[in-house]
Amino acid sequence: NAGVTQTPKFRILKIGQSMTLQCAQDMNHNYMYWYRQDPGMGLKLIYYSVGAGITDKGEVPNGYNVSRSTTEDFPLRLELAAPSQTSVYFCASSYSKGTGGFFGPGTRLTVL
Amino acid sequence: DQQVKQNSPSLSVQEGRISILNCDYTNSMFDYFLWYKKYPAEGPTFLISISSIKDKNEDGRFTVFLNKSAKHLSLHIVPSQPGDSAVYFCAAKSNFGNEKLTFGTGTRLTIIP
Repeated sequence: NAGVTQTPKFRILKIGQSMTLQCAQDMNHNYMYWYRQDPGMGLKLIYYSVGAGITDKGEVPNGYNVSRSTTEDFPLRLELAAPSQTSVYFCASSYSKGTGGFFGPGTRLTVL
Repeated sequence: DQQVKQNSPSLSVQEGRISILNCDYTNSMFDYFLWYKKYPAEGPTFLISISSIKDKNEDGRFTVFLNKSAKHLSLHIVPSQPGDSAVYFCAAKSNFGNEKLTFGTGTRLTIIP
């Protein structure tokens, strides 16, 4: 099992550019999540999904979009990148509600 | 508004001794608590959790204690090992509402050989 994989590992964007952060899991988990971690802060939930075709907003969804067309993949789309979106992004999955889950290695994004 | 607080940014402990990491919360709707461990350049790893119906949960060297009246939980690591050096996050969730986990800001634990 590869677990939760994220690509790319690093990315630098210019203000106003767009990109998609990829996340995939091979554990057949229904629940998937996107978090961001700013320096010196805890993780904040951006979006989550409880199954293919179902997504919902987390704590900080503005400026992001997600889709979940398959159980395995949960891409995060940034439209019109802003410096405030400079952060480390973590994708996670879990097999049931409320369990600890598994995290990917993260994507470090810088917006200049 | 920081609903989950880890007031110690860092902690150093001698190898073999007990490490105690603390976490306080303000939201009385939280009823499930988790601890994660994070190494640099890696994602967090789930360690241990506790439901609000319990006051203690143990898994090997790791024990989590919950004091609901004080809105306080702690993670005990005994004995501490060099591989335990990492950043530890506590997180909390409520069964009401969405899947949101609220994280603390983390405590960097350093185990001194």
